[in-house]
This record gives sequence, structure tokens and C-alpha cells, in this order.
Amino acid sequence: EAQVTQNPRYLITVTGKKLTVTCSQNMNHEYMSWYRQDPGLGLRQIYYSMNVEVTDKGDVPEGYKVSRKEKRNFPLILESPSPNQTSLYFCASSLGTSSYEQYFGPGTRLTVT
Amino acid sequence: GDSVTQMEGPVTLSEEAFLTINCTYTATGYPSLFWYVQYPGEGLQLLLKATKADDKGSNKGFEATYRKETTSFHLEKGSVQVSDSAVYFCARRNTGGFKTIFGAGTRLFVKA
Repeated sequence: EAQVTQNPRYLITVTGKKLTVTCSQNMNHEYMSWYRQDPGLGLRQIYYSMNVEVTDKGDVPEGYKVSRKEKRNFPLILESPSPNQTSLYFCASSLGTSSYEQYFGPGTRLTVT
Repeated sequence: GDSVTQMEGPVTLSEEAFLTINCTYTATGYPSLFWYVQYPGEGLQLLLKATKADDKGSNKGFEATYRKETTSFHLEKGSVQVSDSAVYFCARRNTGGFKTIFGAGTRLFVKA
């Protein structure tokens, strides 16, 4: 089954404790992206990747890091999480840009206390 | 910068009512336009899309037409069902671009 998986689905952590949210897709897609969803703001793009070892900032990259060492994986790293990073995070992938639809993971709900 | 503006929700309708959710976008470049739907506890999934002016996207009874003259991509459905209750997001993606801009989302409640 074609899918995007994320882990963990739920995470509660404390300020400053480094964490990684994993994302994996099995569709051989070149393009992957991370979003955060906050009430009233819709989805905002954090980082995206056009292919292995090629990444770029989205609209809200501060406090986040990503890497793309393999085509299927695109982890999101919070080196020193803060309470304002409490949010619902989605990973997405697509075959290409422009008119191609994105396939979304189920989401990771992160709470930073 | 680029943006997408959706009507604020929530929208509450009775079953079999007509639905319109307004969406307007900034006109820079030649974007592709999308509607995504998010059911409770799930990720977003594509509902329909249109890639150029005057294209009509349709799926599951929903329709939206890419209107360049009014920079709009309004979502419509002639007769909603309880199962259509969800959050709907309008989005744009520039030709050759990697960034996707989403609207704030519109929550739809359909009562039996």
C-alpha cells in the first residue's frame, strides 16, 4: 500500500530535550515536505526537499532541522524544542512539483512543556 | 508574498443542502490549485485539483473551477452528506515551484 508514515504519532516532551520525528514514504517520490498545523493558520511549510541531499527552507524554518540522506526518509529534528513548537506536524511527499498532488502522513501531535 | 484566503468557518449545513466554500489566491505566476480534505484524526488527502485557467476539478460530487479573472477556486457540492463533515483546505503551488501555500482551512459540519 502506498503511504507516508510518521513516528511517533503523539509525543510529550520538555523544553530543550532534542527530538526527532521520522517520516518515510514507499512511493519513490522525489519531493518531500514538512508542515505544521495550528488553529486558524492552516498548514505552514517548515522545510522541503527536492531530492537526496537537497533541502530548502519553507516559511517557518526557525528551530527545526531536516536531512535527506535516503530518498524514502525525511526526518524532522528539533534540537532544543520550545513551547511555541507545540503543534500538529505533517510530512508529505509528491512525485514532482507544480501540478502533482501531495500525499500526507497521519500527523504527529507534539506537546512541549 | 503569495497567499490563499478561505472563508472562515465553521460552516454548518443540513444534509442535502448546497455547499460553497470560497477560496481566493494571489495571482503571481501560474499556480496549480488544490482542495484537500482532512477528516478527524487523519492527514490531508487530495479532493480535487486544477492546473490552468478555466479547468474544472471534480471528485465525489465536489467541483471547483479555476477562475483567473477573479483569482478564485471556490468549492461547491450540490447535496452534502453527514460524511462530508471535515476540514477543507484550499492550496496553491507555483509552476515549477516547491512551495505550497495553504489557506487556513474551513470546518464543515453537516447535520442529519
